Amino acid sequence: EAGVAQSPRYKIIEKRQSVAFWCNPISGHATLYWYQQILGQGPKLLIQFQNNGVVDDSQLPKDRFSAERLKGVDSTLKIQPAKLEDSAVYLCASSLDQARGVVGELFFGEGSRLTVL
Amino acid sequence: QKEVEQDPGPLSVPEGAIVSLNCTYSNSAFQYFMWYRQYSRKGPELLMYTYSSGNKEDGRFTAQVDKSSKYISLFIRDSQPSDSATYLCAMSTGTASKLTFGTGTRLQVTL
Repeated sequence: EAGVAQSPRYKIIEKRQSVAFWCNPISGHATLYWYQQILGQGPKLLIQFQNNGVVDDSQLPKDRFSAERLKGVDSTLKIQPAKLEDSAVYLCASSLDQARGVVGELFFGEGSRLTVL
Repeated sequence: QKEVEQDPGPLSVPEGAIVSLNCTYSNSAFQYFMWYRQYSRKGPELLMYTYSSGNKEDGRFTAQVDKSSKYISLFIRDSQPSDSATYLCAMSTGTASKLTFGTGTRLQVTL
């Protein structure tokens, strides 16, 4: 079974530039998450999708971050304009519906590491 | 005060040692408790999952939850160099609720 795919793995940009990250979840997983992991910290949820709909985006800085999930499968996270403090690893994760899976079992991709100069 | 507190380490132990990793939390509504393992430059992977209080054992790993003290632990017996990773505790209030992660404890098991 293929895991969660993310690209690009690494990205370096200057502040005020824009960047986009792509995620392809595990086939059949209805729920998709974007997490931000700053060095030395645990992952912080940015946005959670259930199929096409947004379940939780309370911690997404909506003035600069946006995300969409096309046709309930792939997802894109965009940052525009980027700030220095956005330097982090952006992790995409997916999970089965809670009725079928283990509660709290998220399958993470390897992440996209962003450096903002 | 953070909702979930975890000592970042690093924690260095010799091969074969028993390792104890811990988290404390402040939100009494947390019901589901998880431990994730994260190797360098990889995404986290679920290691253990427990519901409410009690113990759960899986091979060399034991997870304990003490809700009265708002304290969870992960024990690793006979630690191996391959256990060297960052261990993240995570918690949620319900089956569809978001996970709140600790900062992670970096563990190094030396030969």
